[in-house]
Formats: sequence, structure tokens, C-alpha cells
Amino acid sequence: NAGVTQTPKFRILKIGQSMTLQCTQDMNHNYMYWYRQDPGMGLKLIYYSVGAGITDKGEVPNGYNVSRSTTEDFPLRLELAAPSQTSVYFCASRGSGQGLQKETQYFGPGTRLLVL
Amino acid sequence: GENVEQHPSTLSVQEGDSAVIKCTYSDSASNYFPWYKQELGKGPQLIIDIRSNVGEKKDQRIAVTLNKTAKHFSLHITETQPEDSAVYFCAASMNSGYSTLTFGKGTMLLVSP
Repeated sequence: NAGVTQTPKFRILKIGQSMTLQCTQDMNHNYMYWYRQDPGMGLKLIYYSVGAGITDKGEVPNGYNVSRSTTEDFPLRLELAAPSQTSVYFCASRGSGQGLQKETQYFGPGTRLLVL
Repeated sequence: GENVEQHPSTLSVQEGDSAVIKCTYSDSASNYFPWYKQELGKGPQLIIDIRSNVGEKKDQRIAVTLNKTAKHFSLHITETQPEDSAVYFCAASMNSGYSTLTFGKGTMLLVSP
């Protein structure tokens, strides 16, 4: 299993441009998450999904959109990039059901985004 | 919502020493507490976790303790090695189907040879 994969690894955007960050998992996990990580601020939840067709806002959703048409994919869309969206973005997934093993979130390698 | 505080923000130790990182949480309904390790340029990776019905859990050189009454939990690393150098995050959640993790701000651990 490749686990959670993210593309691209790094991207520079100009203010006002749009882009989609891709996230794919091959573990048949129902739950998927998008976080952003800023220096010294930990991980902040942007959006999450509990299954195909179901998404919900996290702590910092403004300026972002998501969709979940399949179990495997959970893309994050930035419509009008702003300097405040400069960050490292992580996608994660976890299985469903009981037990500590099901609670584990598996993270992708991240996408580093710079908005100038 | 849940709020997780983590201390210290940076921790420097000599190889072989022990390291302790502490977290507090605000929501008494939280009952799942994982710890993640993030190496430079990589995504976080789970190293140990605990549920609120357990007071302590150990895995080789790593242990986590939980005090539900005081709402705090700690990560203990013994016999530290240079490869333990990384950023460590604590987190808390309610461990239900739709629950989400709330992370602390992280601790940068530096183990000097």
C-alpha cells in the first residue's frame, strides 16, 4: 500500500490564482482530513469527510473548498489564493469502527504552498 | 470546543537522558489521546496513543501517562537517541465516529550526541 499520497509537493501561486491540492489514499478509509500547518501553530483542521459525498468544515475552512466523490480521493480547492494561505498542507485518513487501531490517522507527506 | 496546550515548545537533552513533554486539554468528554512524531519534511506519524480508561501505556522507550482528573497527559522518552530529534504533537478527541483531533502546537525535541 502506498498509504496517503499528495500532489504536488511544492507550489508557488500568485495572489488571486486558484489550484487544487490532490490527496489519495489506498487503504479504503472512510474518514479523510485536510490540515494546514503554520510554524509554531500545530495542525489546524480545514475540512474533513466521513465518507464519499459527505464533507464538513473544520476549524479554519474560509478560503477553501473540498469534494469527496470517491472513497479514495479528497481534493482541496483554493479559489482565490491569498498570502495568508501560505502554509504546509497535510491530508490524512483513518478507518472506521472500534479499537485504537481504527483511531489512527495516517498522514501524507504534505504540500508546501507559497502565495506571493 | 476542545483546546490542547503543549509544553515546552522546545526541549534540548543529551543523548541517553530522558525527555518529558506535557499537554493539557479542556474538554472532559475527550477520551482519546495520541502522540505524533514529525520528522523534517515529512508528515506526522503516530508513535503511541491512549484511551481515558487507561492511566499509562508503554512501548519500549516511549510511555504516555494520563491524569483524567487534572486533564493532562504526558509523553516520556527514556534513553534518548539522536534519531528521536523531531517535532512531537499531542492531540485529543472524543473518539466517536464524527470526532476530530485537536492538536497541541508541538514540541521540538533536540537530542545532542
